Amino acid sequence: DTEVTQTPKHLVMGMTNKKSLKCEQHMGHRAMYWYKQKAKKPPELMFVYSYEKLSINESVPSRFSPECPNSSLLNLHLHALQPEDSALYLCASSQGGSALTDTQYFGPGTRLTVL
Amino acid sequence: QKEVEQNSGPLSVPEGAIASLNCTYSDRGSQSFFWYRQYSGKSPELIMFIYSNGDKEDGRFTAQLNKASQYVSLLIRDSQPSDSATYLCAQGGRGSTLGRLYFGRGTQLTVWP
Repeated sequence: DTEVTQTPKHLVMGMTNKKSLKCEQHMGHRAMYWYKQKAKKPPELMFVYSYEKLSINESVPSRFSPECPNSSLLNLHLHALQPEDSALYLCASSQGGSALTDTQYFGPGTRLTVL
Repeated sequence: QKEVEQNSGPLSVPEGAIASLNCTYSDRGSQSFFWYRQYSGKSPELIMFIYSNGDKEDGRFTAQLNKASQYVSLLIRDSQPSDSATYLCAQGGRGSTLGRLYFGRGTQLTVWP
């Protein structure tokens, strides 16, 4: 089973709203990732959690706040977003560790529209 | 700076043909490479990974890695219209960048009946 789930599938929010994106995996993976993807572009890495600790933050604006409550869950809290933040937000997970073959599996994504 | 170059296409092939997707990379020390398929509006789906020189086959897909020439390719045999998608090549990080994937721009493939 290589399933990563994400909720909600679609989200429309105003610039003053606060919302959260959720991601869950039950594969025993210890690394989890948030990506942002704009149309016709490859995914851009935002954050990486490894063993529930934030290991990579790609200089993402503070209006995006990640949280890893446990090894299976990953949240992305959104506050005061801008219209240019509208994109597909992808969660991924991998076993973690140092194996060359550490493979990331993506969830279905959340399509976010900021009005 | 790790760079992965892909011809963005579009690449168009008839049904039943072999589709060849290519990717070059700049970091000579890179060791792992991944191919993802992404249908329009959907998330990337792993096709296969490769880290040894040579060919790796999985069904209709063959990944090829040539570390001396710094390229990796994906061949799709007996292409089907359902293979029409964007194919993303990604290079795995190493050392201090372990855990990262460096994506190419993606190649849009269309298989016409």
